[in-house]
Amino acid sequence: DAGITQSPRHKVTETGTPVTLRCHQTENHRYMYWYRQDPGHGLRLIHYSYGVKDTDKGEVSDGYSVSRSKTEDFLLTLESATSSQTSVYFCAISGGGRALTYEQYFGPGTRLTVT
Amino acid sequence: DQQVKQNSPSLSVQEGRISILNCDYTNSMFDYFLWYKKYPAEGPTFLISISSIKDKNEDGRFTVFLNKSAKHLSLHIVPSQPGDSAVYFCAVSTGNQFYFGTGTSLTVIP
Repeated sequence: DAGITQSPRHKVTETGTPVTLRCHQTENHRYMYWYRQDPGHGLRLIHYSYGVKDTDKGEVSDGYSVSRSKTEDFLLTLESATSSQTSVYFCAISGGGRALTYEQYFGPGTRLTVT
Repeated sequence: DQQVKQNSPSLSVQEGRISILNCDYTNSMFDYFLWYKKYPAEGPTFLISISSIKDKNEDGRFTVFLNKSAKHLSLHIVPSQPGDSAVYFCAVSTGNQFYFGTGTSLTVIP
């Protein structure tokens, strides 16, 4: 299994508060991704990173920002959480050889509830 | 609009028989296609993939078929085993962007 951890694993927060989720990898993979999983929608890409300080938007990026200051860490921030951001968030990595590869390895997920 | 559709939310199959999971996509620009398996409370795990230059890829009990003219992808599992019971997601990619289907829950009955 690829070494990917996510923290926290569960979080309950109130509407309007900032929230940061962390993804940490020990595999030195170049690419990192944040997804959310919701019933009826499958997994949807929020943001991805193709290197340190290099990030780009995915399909559902509104209301989210990301940062990657080190190869091993990719942070997802909800500046002001809303109830529509209640979801399960997954981090994924790929590109072990530093080239783009399509196969992604996922972390265990973070369940976020915004009340 | 959903780029990828899995029209069967669930599928039940007897142990030892073939499981066929289907996936349709909308954009002919996608060039890579993948299947993931997901157990409850875990992240998805990569299962098998195929590039647009092929129409079939096989890995043990798992075979993925790609019909580009129909924009259709399928996963065959044979023989099916109880441990295969999980949610299966198909995914398509252009390289930077990935789109997942809504998943099919497979139950293999012993």
